[in-house]
Amino acid sequence: DTAVSQTPKYLVTQMGNDKSIKCEQNLGHDTMYWYKQDSKKFLKIMFSYNNKELIINETVPNRFSPKSPDKAHLNLHINSLELGDSAVYFCASRGTDLYGYTFGSGTRLTVV
Amino acid sequence: GNSVTQMEGPVTLSEEAFLTINCTYTATGYPSLFWYVQYPGEGLQLLLKATKADDKGSNKGFEATYRKETTSFHLEKGSVQVSDSAVYFCALSRVGNQFYFGTGTSLTVIP
Repeated sequence: DTAVSQTPKYLVTQMGNDKSIKCEQNLGHDTMYWYKQDSKKFLKIMFSYNNKELIINETVPNRFSPKSPDKAHLNLHINSLELGDSAVYFCASRGTDLYGYTFGSGTRLTVV
Repeated sequence: GNSVTQMEGPVTLSEEAFLTINCTYTATGYPSLFWYVQYPGEGLQLLLKATKADDKGSNKGFEATYRKETTSFHLEKGSVQVSDSAVYFCALSRVGNQFYFGTGTSLTVIP
């Protein structure tokens, strides 16, 4: 059983399109996150939800909109995709203990 | 504020060499410290952790000691293998707070 699963794993799309990435966790964690990893491997937090409520909303373009239908799911919708959006996007979840995140395996988005 | 500074890579070592990847942190209060590893094409995995000063985290032959006096959490391994080739991230967090990651250090181990 995959603890944090993201779909799709790869996404190639044209500039200007709208796309979504889905994330689901079966760990019973309360908090979920979206991170963006650029080509230099730098990880930048984008959003965090706790029990379906937005708690972190870093400075990202408003073309990015997270949606959490329930605490096990956190989806990321991106409007009007741009070349600079190409990156690997990671979903993660965290329980109430100190012991770290559980990451999904990532979605590699390529905008052409 | 909270931040993590890692030594820059990439690091290339021969198999069985000794590895050190430096990590220092700035934090308010008493954070927990972590090392995560990212193998090619995969997400980040927790490698080891330490939750208070002088704690030593260890896993798969890797070790790191939480040094409050030097605000450091350096990662070490006595004898690296080709399978250790990956990107290593140092991170800190406090209870209920987000993680702060370093910039990552790429390690390549050659036979």
